[in-house]
Amino acid sequence: SQTIHQWPATLVQPVGSPLSLECTVEGTSNPNLYWYRQAAGRGLQLLFYSVGIGQISSEVPQNLSASRPQDRQFILSSKKLLLSDSGFYLCAWRARITYEQYFGPGTRLTVT
Amino acid sequence: RKEVEQDPGPFNVPEGATVAFNCTYSNSASQSFFWYRQDCRKEPKLLMSVYSSGNEDGRFTAQLNRASQYISLLIRDSKLSDSATYLCVVNRASGGSNYKLTFGKGTLLTVNP
Repeated sequence: SQTIHQWPATLVQPVGSPLSLECTVEGTSNPNLYWYRQAAGRGLQLLFYSVGIGQISSEVPQNLSASRPQDRQFILSSKKLLLSDSGFYLCAWRARITYEQYFGPGTRLTVT
Repeated sequence: RKEVEQDPGPFNVPEGATVAFNCTYSNSASQSFFWYRQDCRKEPKLLMSVYSSGNEDGRFTAQLNRASQYISLLIRDSKLSDSATYLCVVNRASGGSNYKLTFGKGTLLTVNP
């Protein structure tokens, strides 16, 4: 069965510090991968998606970036965090033959 | 019109009640529809897909009205464990295999003893 991992679970970072969140998927090959952010009291916002290694599409221009160095690894990064980057970051995967997306446990980021 | 619109609630119902959530979507080209549930401070989890003919999974019934661009979720015999936020989700085809989902902001349900 498929499993999606995210770490860390929680993170408190000062403004201006860098960020690296990692997501890995097990039990599937060549998945579509997605990064979402959910700010407090708001809906899920799609940040990035990837259809393959090295292929990244950005939904919303901001100070975040994403990379996919391996088939089942997706990384979200920032060089300098802003207060507005606080939120719940969720990684999701989709199998090629279906449209449903399945989420990892998320990383709760607080920028202070 | 928002891409996916839901009544935010909150809905407070007693155990055993029947509750219905509604959702409208703006993109008539949308092809796939889902309901997810999200517990407090947890990730969204797929509850059920919504098919054109309507579908049922135990106490949960989902219906789709393409003409009105409307989706519904009915929960019968509510349990305390049904307390969660219910997200209406619509697929927006963007060509190729890059299918993306648009999430509603969710409807908060609290089932009371």
